[in-house]
Amino acid sequence: DTGVSQDPRHKITKRGQNVTFRCDPISEHNRLYWYRQTLGQGPEFLTYFQNEAQLEKSRLLSDRFSAERPKGSFSTLEIQRTEQGDSAMYLCASSLGALGQFFGPGTRLTVL
Amino acid sequence: QQQVKQSPQSLIVQKGGISIINCAYENTAFDYFPWYQQFPGKGPALLIAIRPDVSEKKEGRFTISFNKSAKQFSLHIMDSQPGDSATYFCAGQWGGGADGLTFGKGTHLIIQP
Repeated sequence: DTGVSQDPRHKITKRGQNVTFRCDPISEHNRLYWYRQTLGQGPEFLTYFQNEAQLEKSRLLSDRFSAERPKGSFSTLEIQRTEQGDSAMYLCASSLGALGQFFGPGTRLTVL
Repeated sequence: QQQVKQSPQSLIVQKGGISIINCAYENTAFDYFPWYQQFPGKGPALLIAIRPDVSEKKEGRFTISFNKSAKQFSLHIMDSQPGDSATYFCAGQWGGGADGLTFGKGTHLIIQP
């Protein structure tokens, strides 16, 4: 499969716990984006990497959120001290160049 | 501030009919406008996209019409089929790509057989 993959697909956690999600972009795509999508809404941009450099972060990305792309390939998104308001679908997308983002299937997070 | 406004929120069309979804944007820095299709439990799939230097782009049954002066664009689905039933999102992006996509709130489309 040559598409964007995300792991896990579903995560249930208790409030206050830390969670980490992984995204594997399409091979050779140099740009990687993270979005969050809540029910009935469009995806909201969180952060963007070009190769291993994190170049932009939305104000939605609080201090409890951190993202990495250590070797310019896969990326991880960590949420510390989860809150119920963090419950959402977390989507990863990749692109070769500036335009044409391809999304993965997402990780559904439920915080109890 | 909602930078991309999408309407209608939901739409029911008979099989074989034309589905029309409209979007308006505020950020004049946007110069790339894609449409995404999303099925329940799946990630959005890129459907078709347009740059503002053209007024229309057609790919199969899907057409984007773009009106730069009005800052509006629309998706037309010709000969709509039950398999087209999904949520559709319009989006805008600055061509540099650094800020990601700004999405509308989506249109839930149902094609009745």
